[in-house]
Amino acid sequence: ETGVTQSPTHLIKTRGQQVTLRCSSQSGHNTVSWYQQALGQGPQFIFQYYREEENGRGNFPPRFSGLQFPNYSSELNVNALELDDSALYLCASSPGPGTSLQFFGPGTRLTVL
Amino acid sequence: GDSVTQMEGPVTLSEEAFLTINCTYTATGYPSLFWYVQYPGEGLQLLLKATKADDKGSNKGFEATYRKETTSFHLEKGSVQVSDSAVYFCALSGDGANSKLTFGKGITLSVRP
Repeated sequence: ETGVTQSPTHLIKTRGQQVTLRCSSQSGHNTVSWYQQALGQGPQFIFQYYREEENGRGNFPPRFSGLQFPNYSSELNVNALELDDSALYLCASSPGPGTSLQFFGPGTRLTVL
Repeated sequence: GDSVTQMEGPVTLSEEAFLTINCTYTATGYPSLFWYVQYPGEGLQLLLKATKADDKGSNKGFEATYRKETTSFHLEKGSVQVSDSAVYFCALSGDGANSKLTFGKGITLSVRP
C-alpha cells in the first residue's frame, strides 16, 4: 500500500509568482485535504477536495485554489505569492469526506523571497 | 469556532521521566480527538485517537483519555525515550461534512539521555 506522496519536497519562489504543489493520495482514499503549517505553528486547514470538487474551505483568500483529478490526486495552486505564504504545505488523504482519520504526506516546504 | 489549546513549551525531560502534555479544546457537538507527532523534517504521524467521551487512545506507550467534562485530552507516557523527541500536536475533528482537523500550536519535546 502506497502512502501519501507530495512533490516537490522544497521550493523557492519570489513574491508575486505562482506555485503549484502536488499530492497523490493513499491507495483507496478519495478525499484530499490541504493544510498550511507556518514555522512554529500548528497546521491550518486550507480546503478539502472530494469527487473533484471543493468540499469545505478554511480562512484562506481566493488566490489559494485547488484541483482534484479522477485518480484522486490533487494540486494546490497559490497565485500572487506573499512572504507570509512561506510554510510547510501538508496534504492529507482519507477514505471519505466525513472520515476524521487523515493520513499525512511529508509536506512541501515553500520559501517565498 | 473550534479551537485547541496546548500547554506552552518547549519541554525537556531526562530519559525514563514521566511525560504529561496538556491539551484542552472548545468545540460544538461531539468531536473526535487526536494526538499527532512530527519528527524533524517529516510530516505528521497519527499517534493516537479517541472518538467519544471516556475513550482512551493508546499507542507506543502513550495514552490520552477523552474527558468531556473538562474538555481535555492530555497526553501521558510513563517513561520517555530519546527517540520520543519530536513536536506533538493535539487536534480535533468536528462533526461537520468535511471533518477538517483543527490543531493546537504544538509542543516540542526534547528527551536527553
